[in-house]
Parts: sequence; structure tokens; C-alpha cells
Amino acid sequence: AQSVAQPEDQVNVAEGNPLTVKCTYSVSGNPYLFWYVQYPNRGLQFLLKYITGDNLVKGSYGFEAEFNKSQTSFHLKKPSALVSDSALYFCAVRDLHNNAGNMLTFGGGTRLMVKP
Amino acid sequence: DTGVSQNPRHKITKRGQNVTFRCDPISEHNRLYWYRQTLGQGPEFLTYFQNEAQLEKSRLLSDRFSAERPKGSFSTLEIQRTEQGDSAMYLCASSSAGGLGYEQYFGPGTRLTVT
Repeated sequence: AQSVAQPEDQVNVAEGNPLTVKCTYSVSGNPYLFWYVQYPNRGLQFLLKYITGDNLVKGSYGFEAEFNKSQTSFHLKKPSALVSDSALYFCAVRDLHNNAGNMLTFGGGTRLMVKP
Repeated sequence: DTGVSQNPRHKITKRGQNVTFRCDPISEHNRLYWYRQTLGQGPEFLTYFQNEAQLEKSRLLSDRFSAERPKGSFSTLEIQRTEQGDSAMYLCASSSAGGLGYEQYFGPGTRLTVT
């Protein structure tokens, strides 16, 4: 079975500092990996994905994520945080070897707080 | 470009009543998904449609839950004899045809409160 772990319930950073939101995954085959962001009373918004190719993927709003197969990680990063980045972030995985592979399995979420 | 829409946005019901939610996906998307999200948790997969065919159902989808997508466009999720444990945000998502690398686009959700 596929699973995702986001070890930090909350990450606090100062505006202008770099941020990292951690994600590790477990799948039986090769993964498709996704990051989503959720603002209060809003649905999830797609940020970026890793399918294949370059391990560093770039997404919306200046976010990027690095796929590390040996560490089974897909950490979300941004070089300079903005107060407006404060939100709930979810990592998700889809297992290519799972015949029921259409579903996304999400982590528990990490709340990012960026302080001025 | 209209995104995924869901109605109603909020529903308060008494235990034992039936409720129905509607999802309108992005028009060119043939794949539609339902998820449930409880407070402080990530979304959990409930069911998946490709066109009008319901191809996957989670064990979370008890006999009280039923979903349809009769013409391959909008979808409905019905919960019969609601219980307090059904209180959650119900999210709908859609994605385009093709490989599994296509991201899912989510609607704003329907928040259900069972009293």
C-alpha cells in the first residue's frame, strides 16, 4: 500500500528566509508525486509534480521540490518565503505499479506560518 | 476557464437524514474523483469515475454512500442515514484523460455537519 508522511505539523519561518516542507513516501513501484496548497475555506490548489526526468521540479508561486529516490523524499522548497505563503501544504503520491493507481494518497498536511 | 464547482458549499443535517452533493468537473475532463477530508487530516480517496463508469471505490465508502455520474459530466454523492462521523469536507476533483501523471484539480468542497 502507498503512504505519505509529512513529519512536521507546522513549520515557522521569517519572511524572506528559505523554507522547506518535508515529505517522504512509500510505494511498491515508481511514484508520481504532487504538492498541493490549501488556503482557508478553499479547495486544494496544485503546486507542482514529479513524473520523471529532472529531480528538481519547479512549480507555481516560486515553489520547487526535489525528488530523492534513495531517501524516498520529495521536499518542497522556496528560496524566499512570503507572508502570503502561509497555508496548509499537502504532499500526495500515486503508485504506478498499483492497479488501483488512479487515487492520490495524501499526507496529513503541514501548516506553514510565515511571519513578517 | 471555469474550475471544478461543488454545491452546496455547506450542509447542516440531522442524524438519520439523507444528503446529496453535486460536483461539476472541468468540462473537458473525463476523470472525476471524490475525497473526504476531516479536520486536521489530508484528503482520503472515496471513489473514481472514468466517464460514467465508477471504476474504483474505497473501503471508506460504506453501503450508505453512493455516487453516480450518469452522463459522464456532473456527479452526485449521496449519503443515506447520516451519522455524526460523516461530518467532514467532501472534495471533488477532476483530471484529463491520458496518463496517470495528470494532476487532479479540486473544487472548493462541501462541508457537511451532522447534528
